[in-house]
Amino acid sequence: NAGVTQTPKFQVLKTGQSMTLQCAQDMNHNSMYWYRQDPGMGLRLIYYSASEGTTDKGEVPNGYNVSRLNKREFSLRLESAAPSQTSVYFCAGRQDFYGYTFGSGTRLTVV
Amino acid sequence: RKEVEQDPGPFNVPEGATVAFNCTYSNSASQSFFWYRQDCRKEPKLLMSVYSSGNEDGRFTAQLNRASQYISLLIRDSKLSDSATYLCVVKFGIGNEKLTFGTGTRLTIIP
Repeated sequence: NAGVTQTPKFQVLKTGQSMTLQCAQDMNHNSMYWYRQDPGMGLRLIYYSASEGTTDKGEVPNGYNVSRLNKREFSLRLESAAPSQTSVYFCAGRQDFYGYTFGSGTRLTVV
Repeated sequence: RKEVEQDPGPFNVPEGATVAFNCTYSNSASQSFFWYRQDCRKEPKLLMSVYSSGNEDGRFTAQLNRASQYISLLIRDSKLSDSATYLCVVKFGIGNEKLTFGTGTRLTIIP
């Protein structure tokens, strides 16, 4: 079982470039989430999808878009990357009552 | 005031000792509580859920105090492998899909 798979693991972007972070899960989760983690800030929710075909903003959605392509896949897009978006990004699927299963993360640096 | 607050540490504890962390939450309507563990440069992983009556999993004991709005994690007979950051996580409200994370408490077990 792969669980929750994120790609890429590392990325360096120049300011203004765009990119899409991919996330796929094989755990039949209905809900999927994108978080960013910054030192001293903890994990902050960017967007989430409670079910296939629906997406909602989280705490820090500005500068991001998401797409729930199907039940398995939930992608996060940066249209015009900014240095403030340098962070570690985690995708997660909801494991019913017992919390989330996270992917291994994407370390993004915007220069 | 942050929704979920933790002492960031670091806690440096000798092997075999007992260590306890507290976490406070601001929303009295909070429904579910968890402790996650995050190793350096890895994704968070569910350590244990926290139940109203308190619960134990091996050397780990979690307690919930709704009146004072805090949860605690006790680690007995600490091992070197317990070195990690421990994240306090709260789910607010019925039907609320989202988890809110504390910034984490860093624990280092010293040989």
